Amino acid sequence: AQSVTQLGSHVSVSEGALVLLRCNYSSSVPPYLFWYVQYPNQGLQLLLKYTTGATLVKGINGFEAEFKKSETSFHLTKPSAHMSDAAEYFCAVTGATGRRALTFGSGTRLQVQP
Amino acid sequence: ETGVTQSPTHLIKTRGQQVTLRCSSQSGHNTVSWYQQALGQGPQFIFQYYREEENGRGNFPPRFSGLQFPNYSSELNVNALELDDSALYLCASSLRTGEDSPLHFGNGTRLTVT
Repeated sequence: AQSVTQLGSHVSVSEGALVLLRCNYSSSVPPYLFWYVQYPNQGLQLLLKYTTGATLVKGINGFEAEFKKSETSFHLTKPSAHMSDAAEYFCAVTGATGRRALTFGSGTRLQVQP
Repeated sequence: ETGVTQSPTHLIKTRGQQVTLRCSSQSGHNTVSWYQQALGQGPQFIFQYYREEENGRGNFPPRFSGLQFPNYSSELNVNALELDDSALYLCASSLRTGEDSPLHFGNGTRLTVT
């Protein structure tokens, strides 16, 4: 069984400040981890993914995430927030279970203040 | 490159009715998945189709059914609609069934059941 917990349903930062969105996962198999972003009235867009190899993963729009197995975490960061980063962010997990299905967290809404 | 397209964008149905939602996969993608996203929640996996066969199913009752066609487009059918079926239904396609293959999402169909 797999699950994802996103701490903080709402996060507010000032433009130019550090963005940190938290994600912890539970998985009985080696996990594959993803971050998706959803803008209003749109579908989900992949920001980045971790499967194997380097634990620090770089994605689009300046975002990156670090896989920490000992902490079962995959937090998303961006050094400097931009107004256009305001959106809903979802962490998701899957694994080599033979069934291709993502388990999503409940999401974190990021607000960026001018 | 054409992305994932879904139709209709919005739909209003009455409890007890049946509904069909449609999805055209991204060019070259042979796998399609459907997700239900209730308001304020993360998406939940309904099922996946690969080469016209169901290839995995989430915790949804049999009144949720699907089809995939030879051109890899897909339908989601829901019978005997209930009020709790009101949600955004997301279609996602991918190049293959592997767990590390990223999903490409459409913008969804907003279903309202009254």
